[in-house]
Amino acid sequence: EDKVVQSPLSLVVHEGDTVTLNCSYEVTNFRSLLWYKQEKKAPTFLFMLTSSGIEKKSGRLSSILDKKELFSILNITATQTGDSAIYLCAPRGNNNDMRFGAGTRLTVKP
Amino acid sequence: DTGVSQDPRHKITKRGQNVTFRCDPISEHNRLYWYRQTLGQGPEFLTYFQNEAQLEKSRLLSDRFSAERPKGSFSTLEIQRTEQGDSAMYLCASSLGLGATTNEKLFFGSGTQLSVL
Repeated sequence: EDKVVQSPLSLVVHEGDTVTLNCSYEVTNFRSLLWYKQEKKAPTFLFMLTSSGIEKKSGRLSSILDKKELFSILNITATQTGDSAIYLCAPRGNNNDMRFGAGTRLTVKP
Repeated sequence: DTGVSQDPRHKITKRGQNVTFRCDPISEHNRLYWYRQTLGQGPEFLTYFQNEAQLEKSRLLSDRFSAERPKGSFSTLEIQRTEQGDSAMYLCASSLGLGATTNEKLFFGSGTQLSVL
């Protein structure tokens, strides 16, 4: 059965810290992995990764995929209070759904 | 606002009642998804439409759950004879639908929070 494990489940840091969020997965016929940020209600898209070793960046956020070891990481540098959210990863296989992990709840204190 | 919109934002109902939620996707999006999210968990896939065709419904939680998208635009999710265990956030998402589903990003609505008393 497909599995997605995110770690840590929660993390508290101070502004300016760098954080690394982990997502390991077992998905049949893996196609892509997506990262979302969920602040209050609607998850908002961050990255889609399809190839190993190619880092995607957006400002202070970056993400990379390792298809051999079956994991992805999401890095956030120089964290700000506005980064406080739940970060969800969702690997996709060869079917029509996305299986989300339970998420990492990040709290950034001023 | 041209994003995915869901109505109502909150619904409180008594056990045994039927409830219906509405989702209006981004206008040019062909694909529409329903997810359920409970506290401390990621969204859980329920069902998926390509235009008006419901292409995946085996993950609907029970036969009390049904979804429609009659004209390929908005969609409704109905839960009959609600139970306390149905209390959750029900999220709708849409995507463009031009190629394989597996390489698309989904745009989510803000959800309907259901509380069953």
